[in-house]
Amino acid sequence: KNQVEQSPQSLIILEGKNCTLQCNYTVSPFSNLRWYKQDTGRGPVSLTIMTFSENTKSNGRYTATLDADTKQSSLHITASQLSDSASYICVVTKNDYKLSFGAGTTVTVRA
Amino acid sequence: GAGVSQSPSNKVTEKGKDVELRCDPISGHTALYWYRQRLGQGLEFLIYFQGNSAPDKSGLPSDRFSAERTGESVSTLTIQRTQQEDSAVYLCASSLTLAGEGYEQYFGPGTRLTVT
Repeated sequence: KNQVEQSPQSLIILEGKNCTLQCNYTVSPFSNLRWYKQDTGRGPVSLTIMTFSENTKSNGRYTATLDADTKQSSLHITASQLSDSASYICVVTKNDYKLSFGAGTTVTVRA
Repeated sequence: GAGVSQSPSNKVTEKGKDVELRCDPISGHTALYWYRQRLGQGLEFLIYFQGNSAPDKSGLPSDRFSAERTGESVSTLTIQRTQQEDSAVYLCASSLTLAGEGYEQYFGPGTRLTVT
């Protein structure tokens, strides 16, 4: 069973709208949680990194939250743009280098 | 500056053939990782190199898979006697080091392997 579960699997939103992606994990203990954006045919690119003690981190229109007690994280996209169409991957690091990847949420932004 | 590069970008091979995938990490990055991404699934860790330390091969799915790295430069992932279930995108990532701010992983564009 995957240790990192993401929902929804995919979603479609209109340009300018907001959306929130969810990530639940069972990896324990963990050192940090990351959100990556992966455009089609490209490698993942880091959006945010949060340590155990952080509960929110922003990067432009992207805001990630973390609740280490409930082992949940979310990624909020504000005022979506067409370029936000991509797969968003939640990644939890258990130790120094081994990362557990979620399957991703595919976001499609339509004009 | 140059990012992580991988070659080839696409590879189609017949079942039973050997393939070799190449990764050029960012210059100066001591850590290098290989991952496999099957369609619709998350990335799976395959192998990790850190400087001159022995690589962590715990993610390699079978003895048909092997990887080498020359010092802190290029790495090659070799798959022998390819099977159809080997079809996937193989991603390489590098990072400056393990600790602190240097731990950010930078991914290459991947090699899409199709075994027919």
